[in-house]
Amino acid sequence: GAGVSQSPSNKVTEKGKDVELRCDPISGHTALYWYRQSLGQGLEFLIYFQGNSAPDKSGLPSDRFSAERTGGSVSTLTIQRTQQEDSAVYLCASSPRLVSYEQYFGPGTRLTVT
Amino acid sequence: DQQVKQNSPSLSVQEGRISILNCDYTNSMFDYFLWYKKYPAEGPTFLISISSIKDKNEDGRFTVFLNKSAKHLSLHIVPSQPGDSAVYFCAANPRGSNYKLTFGKGTLLTVNP
Repeated sequence: GAGVSQSPSNKVTEKGKDVELRCDPISGHTALYWYRQSLGQGLEFLIYFQGNSAPDKSGLPSDRFSAERTGGSVSTLTIQRTQQEDSAVYLCASSPRLVSYEQYFGPGTRLTVT
Repeated sequence: DQQVKQNSPSLSVQEGRISILNCDYTNSMFDYFLWYKKYPAEGPTFLISISSIKDKNEDGRFTVFLNKSAKHLSLHIVPSQPGDSAVYFCAANPRGSNYKLTFGKGTLLTVNP
């Protein structure tokens, strides 16, 4: 079946602009996760959703970052007033249950802030 | 503060030989460890995992070893194949938080024909 999809695959934006990154999880997966990978770093956990609620937002790096999930499916990660340090690959994953070993990742969105 | 460390950015091995990828961790709360494999322009895919109550887990050509006292784990691939060439990430999650993965920076494995 279809895997996790993310859009856009690449995004170049000017510093100070807002961006929205989209994630379509695997159908039926109740849990959804956002990570980011900055250059030369490992993946960094940002936030997860169980259904539409986000019990753990501890990984969001600042209040410029927010995420929502509607209908228990699509999720959007929004970065307001982007900064150059926000440049990274943003990865989304989903799982049928809230367990780490069943996280299926999308291909990511490469964000470049100029 | 890097809680999961993969100190070798790259590794090159000959086809048919053993590949050994290493990972060290500092957080004693980690109790579940995973290896992910990533091809260019794709997301990471789950490869193999191990619980802290075990010291070895094997799945076909892939074996993960865990040394809790040394806070060290390794992934063995034998025999290595050219299709194994990818970036390998070590990841861990802490007790009581079975979703929150902490990843290392990855090791690029190249298997030469």
